[in-house]
Amino acid sequence: AQKVTQAQTEISVVEKEDVTLDCVYETRDTTYYLFWYKQPPSGELVFLIRRNSFDEQNEISGRYSWNFQKSTSSFNFTITASQVVDSAVYFCALSDLLGELTGGGNKLTFGTGTQLKVEL
Amino acid sequence: DGGITQSPKYLFRKEGQNVTLSCEQNLNHDAMYWYRQDPGQGLRLIYYSQIVNDFQKGDIAEGYSVSREKKESFPLTVTSAQKNPTAFYLCASSPPAGTAQETQYFGPGTRLLVL
Repeated sequence: AQKVTQAQTEISVVEKEDVTLDCVYETRDTTYYLFWYKQPPSGELVFLIRRNSFDEQNEISGRYSWNFQKSTSSFNFTITASQVVDSAVYFCALSDLLGELTGGGNKLTFGTGTQLKVEL
Repeated sequence: DGGITQSPKYLFRKEGQNVTLSCEQNLNHDAMYWYRQDPGQGLRLIYYSQIVNDFQKGDIAEGYSVSREKKESFPLTVTSAQKNPTAFYLCASSPPAGTAQETQYFGPGTRLLVL
């Protein structure tokens, strides 16, 4: 069975601090995808990044960066110079691909999320 | 604008009542999904559908039913058999196979409350 662990339930930082959100996963699959989603107070999940299991390159997008390490089954997310608008719940998720013959898609296993509060 | 819409935003259910949550997408996505989110919890998969007229149970399907008569629509019915329906319900869809099928995009959600 697949499992995603986000051990940090809540993190509070002061604006402009850097913050890292941890994600550890378990899977027996050799091909899989990892995701991060942001859930602001409005409730809608916003897609941030997708990473496949064969690509361990770190990725940077503006103030966001992701560190994927298969050796430790981790996919951590760092926000540099945090801002109040970054306050949200962040979810890490692991996918189990469905068959392409019948429309494709995937089944996601979510972690329990990390509530990030950025204060002035 | 392409996207996923869910209605209503808030829904109240009385004891013993069935209620239906709407999910519509105009992204031409084949696969659609329903998730339930409880406070302080991650999302749990209720049902998913990869193609029209076909759907599969997820991890917590008991007390729920779905239909997929059109590609664009995937309504979820919360039946009276669901004893603890109060939750936030999120619908998602993902692109056709062969494209970026592994990414799910979410609607704004429906909050269901029991009276």
